[in-house]
Amino acid sequence: QQQVKQSPQSLIVQKGGISIINCAYENTAFDYFPWYQQFPGKGPALLIAIRPDVSEKKEGRFTISFNKSAKQFSLHIMDSQPGDSATYFCAASLLGAGNNRKLIWGLGTSLAVNP
Amino acid sequence: NAGVTQTPKFRVLKTGQSMTLLCAQDMNHEYMYWYRQDPGMGLRLIHYSVGEGTTAKGEVPDGYNVSRLKKQNFLLGLESAAPSQTSVYFCASSLSGARGYTFGSGTRLTVV
Repeated sequence: QQQVKQSPQSLIVQKGGISIINCAYENTAFDYFPWYQQFPGKGPALLIAIRPDVSEKKEGRFTISFNKSAKQFSLHIMDSQPGDSATYFCAASLLGAGNNRKLIWGLGTSLAVNP
Repeated sequence: NAGVTQTPKFRVLKTGQSMTLLCAQDMNHEYMYWYRQDPGMGLRLIHYSVGEGTTAKGEVPDGYNVSRLKKQNFLLGLESAAPSQTSVYFCASSLSGARGYTFGSGTRLTVV
């Protein structure tokens, strides 16, 4: 019940296209949903995040869409560029045992944007 | 620059050898984490710490030990390395345990 299921595993998009990565969860206790971007040879870096009381958050070309009733959230990359080629991780956070926060990760999506 | 520093960046070990990976952060973060990343398996939490002097097990703790004697440092130890521990290891820190994990650049470990 604490899993976050991410799809697709890999994605190829043409330059200028829209990249869409989806995540689904079961546990309604999750209350914070970040996306991380990882370039080869680097650690993941926080890209954008959303709370469940908001249906959409946009930062530049990156948008999170959140559907609370369906327990799904997605990352949209508009006007995708070759520089966006990276691995993207969704995650979900909740309060765990001992009142400590836990972050549950999706398995990642490898995005390649062709020039 | 503020951030998380991991040393070493690369290491090759023979089966049975031991080593310690060092993670240092200068952001005064309370929470620190050790993850391993393997192809197709995402990020798996090995151990974590919610403050100086505390440690706790993650989802894949077997074969690893950790210590957090100082708030800014989190050490990951392998007492007897096995080929199954060949991986890329990432350290991360967080102020509150959820928002804004800051990751180091990783340690690529090969056990032969």
